[in-house]
Formats: sequence, structure tokens, C-alpha cells
Amino acid sequence: GENVEQHPSTLSVQEGDSAVIKCTYSDSASNYFPWYKQELGKGPQLIIDIRSNVGEKKDQRIAVTLNKTAKHFSLHITETQPEDSAVYFCAASGRGSTLGRLYFGRGTQLTVWP
Amino acid sequence: NAGVTQTPKFQVLKTGQSMTLQCAQDMNHNSMYWYRQDPGMGLRLIYYSASEGTTDKGEVPNGYNVSRLNKREFSLRLESAAPSQTSVYFCASRSDPPPSTDTQYFGPGTRLTVL
Repeated sequence: GENVEQHPSTLSVQEGDSAVIKCTYSDSASNYFPWYKQELGKGPQLIIDIRSNVGEKKDQRIAVTLNKTAKHFSLHITETQPEDSAVYFCAASGRGSTLGRLYFGRGTQLTVWP
Repeated sequence: NAGVTQTPKFQVLKTGQSMTLQCAQDMNHNSMYWYRQDPGMGLRLIYYSASEGTTDKGEVPNGYNVSRLNKREFSLRLESAAPSQTSVYFCASRSDPPPSTDTQYFGPGTRLTVL
């Protein structure tokens, strides 16, 4: 099956700075890459996603980039705020016999200091 | 719409006890999933159901059973709980068909401790 690696595991930034989280995947057939945000005591919530026919997608302060050749994708958060503090997960979709499944990275704990 | 709901929110069991975690979704989704989340391990798939009446094993199915009761409900059962099953359990659902609807929506989780 797919293998997703996520770095860093922890990230601390000052309010207003940018944060970047990177993920790599192993299966070149994967074509859907969501990012989830998990606040303390809650379930993961989708914040942005990208498909393999697109190189970049933005939604206000959040952007995701995808490099299919290198099999990596990244989450960029600009002008960080304390409420961005959470655990972020990347994921890649399964294909073929694992169609409909998502494979998750191990998560990044982002802390934004005021 | 409540989305995906899970009960109970918290549970403490003794080794060897059994229990069932309940999950329901009101989005008319076909696919449902059970994950466990452990520190530093991300989300690992236990079982999933692509449609009513079908279930398949994920990465970590040992010690668990599932039932897709109907389109709305997907339960996870621990027959004889072990301390290694102490975890946070999440249910998720996804509408069909892929690839246009790969997005999974998660419930709030059940925090289970096995003593």
C-alpha cells in the first residue's frame, strides 16, 4: 500500500510568520492529497485538498503545492495566528485494490506563539 | 446535519471486557471507516465498509470486529479488550463514487482506556 512520510513532527513559529509542512508519498498512482487539522480533543477536519492534475491551490492564508515527479506535497500557512495551533495531517489516496482509502502521515504539531 | 456522530465519548474498560463503539452519519454516504489514533502514529485504518453489507480489513484489524448495520451506522466491537487497544477511535464517512468524492469526514472520536 501507499506510504506517507510527514515532516517535521513539531513546528513552533511566532505569530505572523509562515509555517511549512512537507509530505512525501510512495505510490505514483495516488491522485488525491488532503490536509486535515485536528484541534485538541476533536476529530480531524479537512482544511484543503489538491488533485494530481493541479500544481497549487490556495484558500486565503493556506496553500498546498504538489510535485508529482518528486512525489511530494506541502502545506503553507502564511500570517500564522494562535488559533492555527493544532496537529496537521497529510494524506494520500489509495488506488486500484485500495481505492477509497486514505493513507495518513504521522502528523505535525504546530504551535504559534503570540 | 450532525455529520458523523460517535458514542460514547469516553470509556474505561478492564482487560478482557467487551464493548461496542457506535458510529452514525446523516450525509447519505456509502463508505464508512474506523481508525485508531496513537501518539506519533497518525491515523491507522482498522476496518472500512464500501457499502451496506460489505466490510474489509485495514492496516490494524486484529482484535476488532465491525458491523455495517445499515447505510447510516457502522459499529466497532472489541470482544476482549487489551491494554494495547487503549487509543482514540475515529469514525469517518465518504460519499461515492471516487475519485470526485475522495474526501472523508470525521466524527469527534471515542477515547478508550483499557486497564
